[in-house]
Amino acid sequence: GQNIDQPTEMTATEGAIVQINCTYQTSGFNGLFWYQQHAGEAPTFLSYNVLDGLEEKGRFSSFLSRSKGYSYLLLKELQMKDSASYLCAGDNYGQNFVFGPGTRLSVLP
Amino acid sequence: DTAVSQTPKYLVTQMGNDKSIKCEQNLGHDTMYWYKQDSKKFLKIMFSYNNKELIINETVPNRFSPKSPDKAHLNLHINSLELGDSAVYFCASSQEYDEQFFGPGTRLTVL
Repeated sequence: GQNIDQPTEMTATEGAIVQINCTYQTSGFNGLFWYQQHAGEAPTFLSYNVLDGLEEKGRFSSFLSRSKGYSYLLLKELQMKDSASYLCAGDNYGQNFVFGPGTRLSVLP
Repeated sequence: DTAVSQTPKYLVTQMGNDKSIKCEQNLGHDTMYWYKQDSKKFLKIMFSYNNKELIINETVPNRFSPKSPDKAHLNLHINSLELGDSAVYFCASSQEYDEQFFGPGTRLTVL
């Protein structure tokens, strides 16, 4: 199976660090994407992990453990504009893309 | 320059009608997709086209048919619209299976 789970909602404070977890069944996925989607807008690409480990990109980092079926997105120095939904998506070697339900992050002042 | 564009942005129609949504990308990508995002915000892939060949066809009703006149376009045609078809439909494109660039979405409301 290729179910993907994420927490539905998270809240954090401006300037803080937040970690959004994503778990999936290990069969079938080549790599894992993270997308950001602001309300009423299209998703935009944040990161893609195909190897185990942490990839850092400015304030955003993404981690993958293929053996554990686990990924997380780490957001540092949170800003109000980071309030959005964060979508985890599995890539089945190009044959399919499965998106998780998304985590709605609210950043409070 | 808009990378991935969709028309129309909003579409309100009656049950039973047939409608089309157009999508164009100017990124030179070889793969295009259609997604449906329902009221619960689940984003579900419907179709993808790679070099004018359908390579993913999820279990969507056959009332939905993708049409690709060329590599830069992937249109979505929907026959006999139903209430449950109301959703936001996103077109996207990518080079092979790299990051996807999404269009702005088409909000379809079936009355």
